[in-house]
Amino acid sequence: KQEVTQIPAALSVPEGENLVLNCSFTDSAIYNLQWFRQDPGKGLTSLLLIQSSQREQTSGRLNASLDKSSGRSTLYIAASQPGDSATYLCAPHFNKFYFGSGTKLNVKP
Amino acid sequence: GAVVSQHPSWVICKSGTSVKIECRSLDFQATTMFWYRQFPKQSLMLMATSNEGSKATYEQGVEKDKFLINHASLTLSTLTVTSAHPEDSSFYICSARAQRPGQGGSTEAFFGQGTRLTVV
Repeated sequence: KQEVTQIPAALSVPEGENLVLNCSFTDSAIYNLQWFRQDPGKGLTSLLLIQSSQREQTSGRLNASLDKSSGRSTLYIAASQPGDSATYLCAPHFNKFYFGSGTKLNVKP
Repeated sequence: GAVVSQHPSWVICKSGTSVKIECRSLDFQATTMFWYRQFPKQSLMLMATSNEGSKATYEQGVEKDKFLINHASLTLSTLTVTSAHPEDSSFYICSARAQRPGQGGSTEAFFGQGTRLTVV
């Protein structure tokens, strides 16, 4: 079973800052990795899918990098906004999807 | 992206009754569906993996007789919580994947919006 760790567990920043969210996983034999956001009491919204053969993937202000050999992925959020406040989850795909405990982000106006 | 519909979005039931949750892939055929539960302020815990036409594979510690999973078609999987108790109250989320790794096609997972179950 994959062990997925996300650091930091919580983050509170003023609006406009660039952020780094970290994800590590124990088994590097993944097919891809997805980043999600979850708003309180809601389901998951897929943010980025990065294939195992890729090093990074970008969507708007979001950029995800993947170092499969070391079992790490990083989500960069540029110019953070209050609307980015949510819990961010990474899920490496090892035939199944296991989730980290998430990073709870609060962006203050 | 593809759409996964989960129904109901919330349900309240009496202790001892059974509750069925449906998960449908609306615009693609899902060879594999995953079921998760999430307790307040915790992450998603994988309960089981179901492949169309075969028995579900349960994660360690998940009671298969209590959480019945049926994946009878390529667009529908159901989770039935049998003889529900208050400790079963949780947020249940399903996920669907079109293809298994190595079969070609997208292996991206799409998630339903979840079902909040409250057992009283």
